Parts: sequence; structure tokens; C-alpha cells
Amino acid sequence: AQKVTQAQTEISVVEKEDVTLDCVYETRDTTYYLFWYKQPPSGELVFLIRRNSFDEQNEISGRYSWNFQKSTSSFNFTITASQVVDSAVYFCALSLVLFGNEKLTFGTGTRLTIIP
Amino acid sequence: AAGVIQSPRHLIKEKRETATLKCYPIPRHDTVYWYQQGPGQDPQFLISFYEKMQSDKGSIPDRFSAQQFSDYHSELNMSSLELGDSALYFCASSDPGNPYEQYFGPGTRLTVT
Repeated sequence: AQKVTQAQTEISVVEKEDVTLDCVYETRDTTYYLFWYKQPPSGELVFLIRRNSFDEQNEISGRYSWNFQKSTSSFNFTITASQVVDSAVYFCALSLVLFGNEKLTFGTGTRLTIIP
Repeated sequence: AAGVIQSPRHLIKEKRETATLKCYPIPRHDTVYWYQQGPGQDPQFLISFYEKMQSDKGSIPDRFSAQQFSDYHSELNMSSLELGDSALYFCASSDPGNPYEQYFGPGTRLTVT
């Protein structure tokens, strides 16, 4: 069975600070996808990124960056120069690359509060 | 671009009542997933359908049933509602060419009183 752990339950930082959200996963499968979703107070799930297990290249998208390290089973997410609009719950998730078994297994989420 | 549509967006029911949640996937998407997110919790997978057949099943209570219809929309039927069923229910869909990218609907917030 798959497992995703987000050890940080809540984080608060002052606006413009950088913040890193940790994600550690467990799976016995060698092929899988990792995801990050944002859930603002309005409740919808906003897709941020998908990364497959064969692609360990880090990715940067604007103020967001992701660090995938297979050796430590981690897929961390960094927000640079945080803004109040970044306040949300962030979920890390995993799915297997297996037809008929693409369900997402989510971590418990990290509630990020950006203090103006 | 068209998104996943869920209806109703909000639903209030009393204990022991029945509720039906509907999900309309993005056009040409043939796979639908249902997730349940309790207050302060992460979304939990309930069930999925591919081409109108159940493809995977998670921790869905026996009181719940679901199906996918010929037009690919899906309905989640919940009977004998309990207070613990109060949650946000998400539907997601994916297309045959990219089954690992799920597009989420806005969710249905069910409150059981």
C-alpha cells in the first residue's frame, strides 16, 4: 500500500519569506506519479504539479519550485517570496502507474498561513 | 475550457435520509473518481469508474453506491446518512490518453444534521 506523509501540520511565515513544505512517500512500486495540490479556503482542489518517478529533475514555476529526491523518497515544495494569497492547505499525493489503479493517495496536508 | 461539474454544491440532510450526488466529467473523459474529505482531513478515495464499469474501490461504506451512466456522468448514492458522512465530496475525471491527470470538480459539501 502507498503512504504519503506530510509531517508539518501547520506553518506560519511572514509575507515575503521563503517556505518549504515537506512530503515523504512510501511505495513498493517503481513507477508512480507524485502531485501537489493547493486547497484554498474556498475548498476546491487546485492542481499544482505532477512528476513521474523517472524524472528527478527539479522544477521551477514562478515562485514555486519542487525538489524530488528518489533516494530519500521525498518531494518537497518551496514557495519563494511568499504572498498572502499562498495561504491554503497544501496536499502531496501519489498515484501508481497501473491501469485501473490510478487513485490518488493524499498526505494529511500542511496548512500554510502567510502573515501580512 | 469545460470543467468537471458537480451538483448540488451544497446539500443538507438529516440522519437516516438519502442523498444523491452527481458528477459530470469533462467531455470525452471516460474515467470518474469519487473522493470524500472529512473536516480537517485529506481526501480519501471512495470509488472509480472506467467506461461505465467500476475500476477500483476504496473505503466506501456499504451504505453508499455509485454508478457511471452511458453519457459518462456518475452518481453517488448515500443512504441511511450518519453525522460522520458530513464531508466535502469531490469528483474527478480523466481522459483515456492521460489517465494519471485527474481534474477535480468544485466538490459537494454535504452536511448531515
